[in-house]
Amino acid sequence: EAGVTQSPTHLIKTRGQQATLRCSPISGHTSVYWYQQALGLGLQFLLWYDEGEERNRGNFPPRFSGRQFPNYSSELNVNALELEDSALYLCASSPRGSSYNSPLHFGNGTRLTVT
Amino acid sequence: GNSVTQMEGPVTLSEEAFLTINCTYTATGYPSLFWYVQYPGEGLQLLLKATKADDKGSNKGFEATYRKETTSFHLEKGSVQVSDSAVYFCALPGKTGANNLFFGTGTRLTVIP
Repeated sequence: EAGVTQSPTHLIKTRGQQATLRCSPISGHTSVYWYQQALGLGLQFLLWYDEGEERNRGNFPPRFSGRQFPNYSSELNVNALELEDSALYLCASSPRGSSYNSPLHFGNGTRLTVT
Repeated sequence: GNSVTQMEGPVTLSEEAFLTINCTYTATGYPSLFWYVQYPGEGLQLLLKATKADDKGSNKGFEATYRKETTSFHLEKGSVQVSDSAVYFCALPGKTGANNLFFGTGTRLTVIP
């Protein structure tokens, strides 16, 4: 089966611009998660979507937002980009009905560079 | 919420050496515990998991035992290979009922021939 796919692989923006990152979950998966992996900071949880609804949000400002479409794919938007937003953004998915004890399946990420 | 504290890296070992990466957790109840691995240029992959106390997760020669008494889930491998060079993350659910995982800071392992 195809894994979690993310696009674009790399994205270069200038400070103040907006970035849009996309994620397609594994077929049959209804939950999508977004994480930020900044250099030296590990993985920070951003957002969790399930069945089109935002279920949980990490400690990030409102300029980080997203949505989940009826086909369960998802988009992460980052407005008013700042230099410290430069990071690898990872998307993960999990199946319908999975519990909080279930593993997540990750894509290879989008590398966002803000100059 | 729940959290994990993971051994800081980086760790450099010779091939066939014994590996231990320490992970301790703080949690409400007894959630599942996970180890993920990130190879260069890739996303994270599930390496192993344990769902309850005293469970041992294992995969690819790696093992970790869910120890309630010491609130630990240390990752071990008896003989590492160059191909094991990667970043290893300990993780658990951020809080009961929330599917998102809380990850440790990661430990970079480099195995030299």
